[in-house]
Amino acid sequence: GNSVTQMEGPVTLSEEAFLTINCTYTATGYPSLFWYVQYPGEGLQLLLKATKADDKGSNKGFEATYRKETTSFHLEKGSVQVSDSAVYFCALAQGGSEKLVFGKGTKLTVNP
Amino acid sequence: EADIYQTPRYLVIGTGKKITLECSQTMGHDKMYWYQQDPGMELHLIHYSYGVNSTEKGDLSSESTVSRIRTEHFPLTLESARPSHTSQYLCASSRTGYYGYTFGSGTRLTVV
Repeated sequence: GNSVTQMEGPVTLSEEAFLTINCTYTATGYPSLFWYVQYPGEGLQLLLKATKADDKGSNKGFEATYRKETTSFHLEKGSVQVSDSAVYFCALAQGGSEKLVFGKGTKLTVNP
Repeated sequence: EADIYQTPRYLVIGTGKKITLECSQTMGHDKMYWYQQDPGMELHLIHYSYGVNSTEKGDLSSESTVSRIRTEHFPLTLESARPSHTSQYLCASSRTGYYGYTFGSGTRLTVV
């Protein structure tokens, strides 16, 4: 079945450091891929998405590229801020079913 | 700005009590979901609905029940709360043909 594997946390960085959170998936066909962010005490918010191979999703300085050949959708940001401290979830939706499959989440803490 | 509302945000209740967690959305989305989020952050789908009078159990077995009498409303009920039900409950919605969910802010339930 469909699944998402993302790097285990927690991840702790200093402000202005480079961020990568790895995400790989298993699915048949061409799923749509997502990154969601959950700030402390809140629900999840859509951060970015990509619907086909080689698409790049971007938002708030975060980027992720849909790599079909490596079945990956790694999240990157060039310079993190303290306000980026949150839990990040990678997810996929398989064509024909819009039900999302989530990874286990990666907690990011950014220190000043 | 959230268009999906969950109440209450926090609830502390005694063992054996009946509780209903409310979830309402104003976006006209036909699909709605309930997730249970454990302390390790992982999301578990416990119920979903693809329209009025349609409800299905999710991937994680739950003693809770749901109903979908109106498109905008998807309440979750526990007939007899137990400490094992202590968790964060997240409601989400989506629209057919569009990939991606909108989440509410969650209800943090503590059963003592």
